[in-house]
Amino acid sequence: SQQGEEDPQALSIQEGENATMNCSYKTSINNLQWYRQNSGRGLVHLILIRSNEREKHSGRLRVTLDTSKKSSSLLITASRAADTASYFCATDTGRRALTFGSGTRLQVQP
Amino acid sequence: SQTIHQWPATLVQPVGSPLSLECTVEGTSNPNLYWYRQAAGRGLQLLFYSVGIGQISSEVPQNLSASRPQDRQFILSSKKLLLSDSGFYLCAWTTDANYGYTFGSGTRLTVV
Repeated sequence: SQQGEEDPQALSIQEGENATMNCSYKTSINNLQWYRQNSGRGLVHLILIRSNEREKHSGRLRVTLDTSKKSSSLLITASRAADTASYFCATDTGRRALTFGSGTRLQVQP
Repeated sequence: SQTIHQWPATLVQPVGSPLSLECTVEGTSNPNLYWYRQAAGRGLQLLFYSVGIGQISSEVPQNLSASRPQDRQFILSSKKLLLSDSGFYLCAWTTDANYGYTFGSGTRLTVV
């Protein structure tokens, strides 16, 4: 089963609005990462948050991590049409490789 | 600069035919290498990973295999493709767990 599960599966918003995606996981982690995938392309690393961090910012991205609830959220502020993509969380448990969730498909309407 | 090359971009193969997908990394040494598969509209499933030349770990029993003949080369193979092997295959690398993975552009495989 997937270590990380994103919620919602799909999200449609208007340009300028904020988009929030959530990720829940099951086991202890070293870090949690968020990736973006444009249709038919490879994944692009967005941001990494370590298990001892609670919040991290990068440009219009804000990531929070609550290890007690085993959950994370990705907030994209002032969204743009170019933000339309699928977003995946991935967990690093220190074993083998990253485990990815099933993703949130974000559609930003111009 | 560090780059990753994955080819071909698309591939249509008949059932029972062999498969060879290649991934190469430039600009780094001794990377950890990964093969993932993504079904349409789904997340990524780890297939194989390698921490060094000749060292391959398999995550999912199947008719696929992987090899790492050189430090920066990772090959995904099959002797006989099945319809269920269709999907989007992604190669990735990292040298530091604190900096995330870098993915190739992927290969869309359709088995007919």
